[in-house]
Amino acid sequence: KAGVTQTPRYLIKTRGQQVTLSCSPISGHRSVSWYQQTPGQGLQFLFEYFSETQRNKGNFPGRFSGRQFSNSRSEMNVSTLELGDSALYLCASSPGTPNTGELFFGEGSRLTVL
Amino acid sequence: AQRVTQPEKLLSVFKGAPVELKCNYSYSGSPELFWYVQYSRQRLQLLLRHISRESIKGFTADLNKGETSFHLKKPFAQEEDSAMYYCALSGYGNKLVFGAGTILRVKS
Repeated sequence: KAGVTQTPRYLIKTRGQQVTLSCSPISGHRSVSWYQQTPGQGLQFLFEYFSETQRNKGNFPGRFSGRQFSNSRSEMNVSTLELGDSALYLCASSPGTPNTGELFFGEGSRLTVL
Repeated sequence: AQRVTQPEKLLSVFKGAPVELKCNYSYSGSPELFWYVQYSRQRLQLLLRHISRESIKGFTADLNKGETSFHLKKPFAQEEDSAMYYCALSGYGNKLVFGAGTILRVKS
């Protein structure tokens, strides 16, 4: 099976712009989670989608949003970018049920905000 | 609040020496705990979970509810064990709360 695929792998934006990141989960996986990784805060949970519904949400401002499509692919969007949004954004998929806590991670999308 | 603490940023040991990576947690319910590992230039991946009570690559971890700990242990370190190790706590669904991580360096 192909692993979790994230695009783009690298991108540079300027403050105030918006960005959309994409994630293709492992075939058959219905749950997609997003994490932000920074040197200062480590790995922080953004949100989880299961069967096109947001099942769980972390403590991030409303500028961070996501969605999941019927084929389980997911996108996350960050609007009005700030310098502090510079991070590695990791997507992870899992079958979704039962919840085993085993997540399969992608390589990440590295966002730099100038 | 759910919290995971890994007190050591870096643990450096010699090959063949025992390894213990520390993890303490704060959680009001019955925790599900995991160790994830990231080898150089590889993706973050699950190493082991406490409910399985299994040994993976020689590593074991025991959940101690009294001390709220889930330390990762291996009796004899190998060079290929060098990696970043994250302890994680599972809440609802697949929301994982990660610790800050510990870099393990195994010296020859």
